[in-house]
Amino acid sequence: NAGVTQTPKFQVLKTGQSMTLQCAQDMNHNSMYWYRQDPGMGLRLIYYSASEGTTDKGEVPNGYNVSRLNKREFSLRLESAAPSQTSVYFCASRSGTGGRNTIYFGEGSWLTVV
Amino acid sequence: GESVGLHLPTLSVQEGDNSIINCAYSNSASDYFIWYKQESGKGPQFIIDIRSNMDKRQGQRVTVLLNKTVKHLSLQIAATQPGDSAVYFCAEILDTGGFKTIFGAGTRLFVKA
Repeated sequence: NAGVTQTPKFQVLKTGQSMTLQCAQDMNHNSMYWYRQDPGMGLRLIYYSASEGTTDKGEVPNGYNVSRLNKREFSLRLESAAPSQTSVYFCASRSGTGGRNTIYFGEGSWLTVV
Repeated sequence: GESVGLHLPTLSVQEGDNSIINCAYSNSASDYFIWYKQESGKGPQFIIDIRSNMDKRQGQRVTVLLNKTVKHLSLQIAATQPGDSAVYFCAEILDTGGFKTIFGAGTRLFVKA
């Protein structure tokens, strides 16, 4: 049981390049989330998916797109990377049933845009 | 608007003392509040949660207090240990069909041996 797995762990991009962050969870959770965390700051919600087939914008969606490929996988895409998107990205998932509200996080993806 | 914030950005305590980390929130419609711990280079980890219809919940060495009148949340850590050194986030969960979770800025806890 790996929990939430996200790849890559580290990535350096040039301004204007595109890339996709992959996330998968093996806990059969309904809801999945993408957050970014800037140095010394809290986590800000980019997009979330309440269930397979649905996605919604969070606090800071501009410059990002997401795909809930199936129940397990939720990817985050940067179409044209900008230096302002340099951050640590966390994928998370939540059961959404039985009153359990715990969100389980991946280990993070460190992205630098130069 | 939706916001969750913390009163103190850093907190330094002596090993063995009790720690209190505070949090203010603005959305009275939130259903749950959660405290997370984040160690350097890792993702946040769940500590304890509390429903909006409760005012206190206890876990192992931790207690969360919720005061809805003043929209204030606190995390109390008993007998603080060096392993408790981390950044602590409070978060509020809005049941908008996806349980959107909004995090505060975080408080860094330093435990002095």
